[in-house]
Amino acid sequence: QKEVEQNSGPLSVPEGAIASLNCTYSDRGSQSFFWYRQYSGKSPELIMFIYSNGDKEDGRFTAQLNKASQYVSLLIRDSQPSDSATYLCAVKEQAGTALIFGKGTTLSVSS
Amino acid sequence: DTAVSQTPKYLVTQMGNDKSIKCEQNLGHDTMYWYKQDSKKFLKIMFSYNNKELIINETVPNRFSPKSPDKAHLNLHINSLELGDSAVYFCASSLSPQGRSYNEQFFGPGTRLTVL
Repeated sequence: QKEVEQNSGPLSVPEGAIASLNCTYSDRGSQSFFWYRQYSGKSPELIMFIYSNGDKEDGRFTAQLNKASQYVSLLIRDSQPSDSATYLCAVKEQAGTALIFGKGTTLSVSS
Repeated sequence: DTAVSQTPKYLVTQMGNDKSIKCEQNLGHDTMYWYKQDSKKFLKIMFSYNNKELIINETVPNRFSPKSPDKAHLNLHINSLELGDSAVYFCASSLSPQGRSYNEQFFGPGTRLTVL
């Protein structure tokens, strides 16, 4: 059973702080890793994807991947109240397979 | 110019009924998906079609039957609805899966199904 684990939260951070979201996965064959953001009542939208070990930065967001530890994280710098949402970690084994999602971490950024 | 659209947005029905949800994408993608998100927000793949061919068929009751008349449409028909079918159903699409495991999946707005 391939699993993706996330702390459900809620994770509460003050405005301007760094939010750190973590995810572990069970399948060592996983090749691609995704972070989706989902606002309440809305559909998931892709924030970042990463497929090589190390860091990948895009604006205020940094994804970090450590395949040896089967760990992927998302850092949100200068957190804003508009970042308050559920963040879904998803992994993909290879092309042609489906995304396997974690249960999401709820982030709350207070002003 | 909606990328992935679903109808209806809300669906309330009685146990035992049969219902359909429709999905259309105008992104020119080859691959479409159906996901189910339960009350605990857990999002799980149900089916995937690539160029009208079924490529992913997870452990889903056979009361659920997907149909893809062309690569821009993927419909989901559910027979004999049960209380446990209540959830939000998301359609998604992406470019062909061949060669690139990180093709982004674009999600539709979701259909909230409530079975009474």
